[in-house]
Amino acid sequence: EAGVAQSPRYKIIEKRQSVAFWCNPISGHATLYWYQQILGQGPKLLIQFQNNGVVDDSQLPKDRFSAERLKGVDSTLKIQPAKLEDSAVYLCASSSSSGTSGRREFFGPGTRLTVL
Amino acid sequence: AQKITQTQPGMFVQEKEAVTLDCTYDTSDPSYGLFWYKQPSSGEMIFLIYQGSYDQQNATEGRYSLNFQKARKSANLVISASQLGDSAMYFCAVIQTGANSKLTFGKGITLSVRP
Repeated sequence: EAGVAQSPRYKIIEKRQSVAFWCNPISGHATLYWYQQILGQGPKLLIQFQNNGVVDDSQLPKDRFSAERLKGVDSTLKIQPAKLEDSAVYLCASSSSSGTSGRREFFGPGTRLTVL
Repeated sequence: AQKITQTQPGMFVQEKEAVTLDCTYDTSDPSYGLFWYKQPSSGEMIFLIYQGSYDQQNATEGRYSLNFQKARKSANLVISASQLGDSAMYFCAVIQTGANSKLTFGKGITLSVRP
């Protein structure tokens, strides 16, 4: 079974530039998550999709971050314009269930973003 | 609101020995779940073990077991027979019961296994 795919793996940009990350979840997984992991911290959920609908984006900085999941499969996360504090690893995860006990999230390798 | 506390500094263990990684949590929900994830240097988060708040027995998954003490709000991970490949960051996380709840992670603990 193929895992969660993410690209690019690394990205370096100047502040105020735009950047986009791509994620392809495990086939058949209805729920997709984007997390932000700042160095020295645990991942923080940015947005959660159930199929192609957003179920939680309460921690997404909507003035600069946007995400979409067209057709309920792969997803893109965009930052425009980037700030220095956006430097982090962006992790994508997917699960077949959005409940609790069956909730086993499978993570991709992440995209490491550096904003200069 | 939920909170996870992982305060241990970097942990070291000799290969083949057991090690305990501490985790305390705070949640107002009487029904919740606890997870442990491993993050090696490659960056990918790997699920290790899950414990439901109403589970009667402590969870076990191979060399991993969870020492769940509900009254103390503690969910420590025990790794038996440590291997060099266990060197990684370990994260504890809590989730409230219900569809579309979100995981709240702690800051993680670094474990280094010595040969």
